Amino acid sequence: GAVVSQHPSRVICKSGTSVKIECRSLDFQATTMFWYRQFPKQSLMLMATSNEGSKATYEQGVEKDKFLINHASLTLSTLTVTSAHPEDSSFYICSARQKDRAGGNTIYFGEGSWLTVV
Amino acid sequence: GENVEQHPSTLSVQEGDSAVIKCTYSDSASNYFPWYKQELGKRPQLIIDIRSNVGEKKDQRIAVTLNKTAKHFSLHITETQPEDSAVYFCAASKGSSGSARQLTFGSGTQLTVLP
Repeated sequence: GAVVSQHPSRVICKSGTSVKIECRSLDFQATTMFWYRQFPKQSLMLMATSNEGSKATYEQGVEKDKFLINHASLTLSTLTVTSAHPEDSSFYICSARQKDRAGGNTIYFGEGSWLTVV
Repeated sequence: GENVEQHPSTLSVQEGDSAVIKCTYSDSASNYFPWYKQELGKRPQLIIDIRSNVGEKKDQRIAVTLNKTAKHFSLHITETQPEDSAVYFCAASKGSSGSARQLTFGSGTQLTVLP
């Protein structure tokens, strides 16, 4: 299947600093990518939908000024956690949509990024 | 919006037995239902999916059934093996084939296959 790469896989940052996570579709173009957050032993919660060339669409309760999303190209979306706090520590996962030949589309996930804010 | 409920939250079975995980969804417009397997700290892996125009799909030991009227779908794993142990998530989404797949996930089922 298609490959979605996420970087970094693990990051530790100090409280108050910002950290950027990258999501790349390696062998296909993705006009739409999704960012999820997953706390331990919980489900994946959609944070925002990232659209290439336009503003991201955020889910209710997600602060757009805190979680900055940039989808500047068809293969790259970035999530920047600004002024990080310990409660932002979580597993962040991106996914990208690939259109198949039949006109349908399939979602592929990145490897995820563990963020620890100390 | 869509709401997906998943049961059970934990499931233990003996190796070789079958496992069934059930999900219900609220939005009758949902038309795509994938199932993901996630091992601890790793990405979810798509294991099977079903679209609303079919009622059942099978891939070796894994099968999914869909009841559109009742708005529920189920994952069936037969002849379970220890390597099937993981967390399984169901999901639902809607839209035409050209639209984005914004998935709503169930809460997950921790499946443990006992040797």
